[in-house]
Amino acid sequence: EIVLTQSPGTLSLSPGDSATLSCRASQSVNSNSLAWYQQKPGQAPRLLIYHASTRAPGIPDTFSGSGSGTDFTLTISRLEPGNFAVYYCHQYGSSPDTFGQGTKLEI
Amino acid sequence: QVQLQESGPGLVKPSETLSLTCSVSGGSINRWCWNWIRQPAGKGLEWIGRLCFSGNANYNANYNPSLNSRVVMSADTSKNQISLILRSLTAADTAVYFCATGNSFDFWGQGTLVTVSS
Repeated sequence: EIVLTQSPGTLSLSPGDSATLSCRASQSVNSNSLAWYQQKPGQAPRLLIYHASTRAPGIPDTFSGSGSGTDFTLTISRLEPGNFAVYYCHQYGSSPDTFGQGTKLEI
Repeated sequence: QVQLQESGPGLVKPSETLSLTCSVSGGSINRWCWNWIRQPAGKGLEWIGRLCFSGNANYNANYNPSLNSRVVMSADTSKNQISLILRSLTAADTAVYFCATGNSFDFWGQGTLVTVSS
């Protein structure tokens, strides 16, 4: 199975900053089938990005995804208080689907 | 917009079988793929399996090998529901269980907590 490693584990930033979150795969992700989710305490994850760089409906353009092959990045510009949460990457190009361990974005 | 609602027993004894249901509104289940995902308290996400329709009522499912054939997913198109059965439960199966649509998980239910304890 493909192992996804997210870094950093925790990212401490301030509102107005930009955040760069990394997701590295142990082998190439088929068809760049890589998604990013945001999860707040007590809530289900919310899809932000799919196909590595396509924003899900309703997701603001302050969220952007990039990368291909084994290295992927989620960038959040102009952080707002509501952006502080845990972020997960997920590959769905090879079975079994796998998730990264998460990056906690904290103030 | 499709909406998902998980339901289940909440508390199950070790070695018993868990049965969960995902009730779908806002669209017919035979239009999408459906997934179960779980999350132990304070930990990350684990994909359990995916069920995809190949015709009006025909579907195929594939599962995470880590569950060692303990899992079965099924669908009831008359009720617009997806079901999960997980056998031979242990404390390690204690988690919030989510259902979600698609290959990238576009829509999620709010999750249901399952505790395995005697």
